[in-house]
Formats: sequence, C-alpha cells, structure tokens
Amino acid sequence: AQTVTQSQPEMSVQEAETVTLSCTYDTSESDYYLFWYKQPPSRQMILVIRQEAYKQQNATENRFSVNFQKAAKSFSLKISDSQLGDAAMYFCAYREGSQGNLIFGKGTKLSVKP
Amino acid sequence: EADIYQTPRYLVIGTGKKITLECSQTMGHDKMYWYQQDPGMELHLIHYSYGVNSTEKGDLSSESTVSRIRTEHFPLTLESARPSHTSQYLCASSESGASTDTQYFGPGTRLTVL
Repeated sequence: AQTVTQSQPEMSVQEAETVTLSCTYDTSESDYYLFWYKQPPSRQMILVIRQEAYKQQNATENRFSVNFQKAAKSFSLKISDSQLGDAAMYFCAYREGSQGNLIFGKGTKLSVKP
Repeated sequence: EADIYQTPRYLVIGTGKKITLECSQTMGHDKMYWYQQDPGMELHLIHYSYGVNSTEKGDLSSESTVSRIRTEHFPLTLESARPSHTSQYLCASSESGASTDTQYFGPGTRLTVL
C-alpha cells in the first residue's frame, strides 16, 4: 500500500526567510500525482502546488516550489520569502493515476515569526 | 476559494441524537469525499462517491452513512451520535476525467458530541 510520510511535525521560519518542508512516499506505481495542501487555522484547505510524476521539471507557483526526486521518492516544498500568512498546516498528498483517492501525510505545522 | 459549502460550521449536540452534515458544491464535480480530521490534524477518508447513486466506504471505518441523490449534494448522517464522533469533518470534490483531478475542500464542520 502507498504511504506518505512527513517527518517534521512542526517547523518554524523567520519572516522573509526560506523554509523547506519534507515529504517522502512509498509506491511501486509509475503513474501518480503529488500535491501540497495548506490548511490555515480555522480556514479552508487549499491546494498549494501539484506535480505529475511523469514530468521531470519541478513545479513552481510564485514563492512555492517543489524538489521532486522520483528515484528517491521525495517531494519537498520550498517556501521562499516567507510571509505571516504562510503559517498553516501543510499536507503532502499522493494519488495513483487519474482515478485514485488521495493519501495524505500527517502534516507539518509551519509557524512564521515576525 | 472553491465553491464548496458545508453546514453547519460548528455543532454541539448530546449523545444519541441523529445529525446530518451538509455538503454541496456548485462546480458540477462528479466526485465527492468526506474526511474525518482528528485532533492531531491527520486526515482519514471515510466516504467517497464517484457520481449520483454511487457511494463507497473509505479507508477509515465510520458509523456514518452518506447518500448521493444529486450531483451537487453529498450529506453525511450519524444515526446516533456518540462522544467518539467528536471531530472535524471535511468535504471535498473533484472533477472526473480531469488529468490532475484536484480535490477542492469545504470549510469543514466541527462536531462536538457531549
């Protein structure tokens, strides 16, 4: 069975600095998708970034980028120029193919210090 | 933010009551999901639906039931609430056939059973 592991329960970053959240996954499949979701306190979970496994190029969305290492089964999220609004729970998620359900990691709580 | 709604946002009820948590989306998505989020923030899939009259149980066993009579509506029912049902419940939807099949989440219902 596929698993998603986020080894950092909590992380902290200074405003304007860069932080990297780790995620590893276990799968024997070749066709899959990876996601990072953000859940601010008492607010809606939203998609931050997604990566198709067949794409070698790392996905980027403004200040958010990923380091996708397919052989190592690693999918880390880098947040540049951290802002106070980045404080949230971040969930890494895996989906097999185009029809499978999401498998979530346990989350990393990110704090941003002013 | 996505057009997916959950009511009520907060609910406090006594043991033994029957409750229904509402979830609706206006995006015409075929797929809908219910997640239970425990106090440690971990997400567990409890029900999902791939279309009208289709419902399946998720990875985590749940005493709740769901129905999907209309595409836009996916209510979750607890026939007899217990303190062990106290949790945050998140509804999500996604578009069948889309290459990335991104899930969009509602704001959640925080349920407390006394």
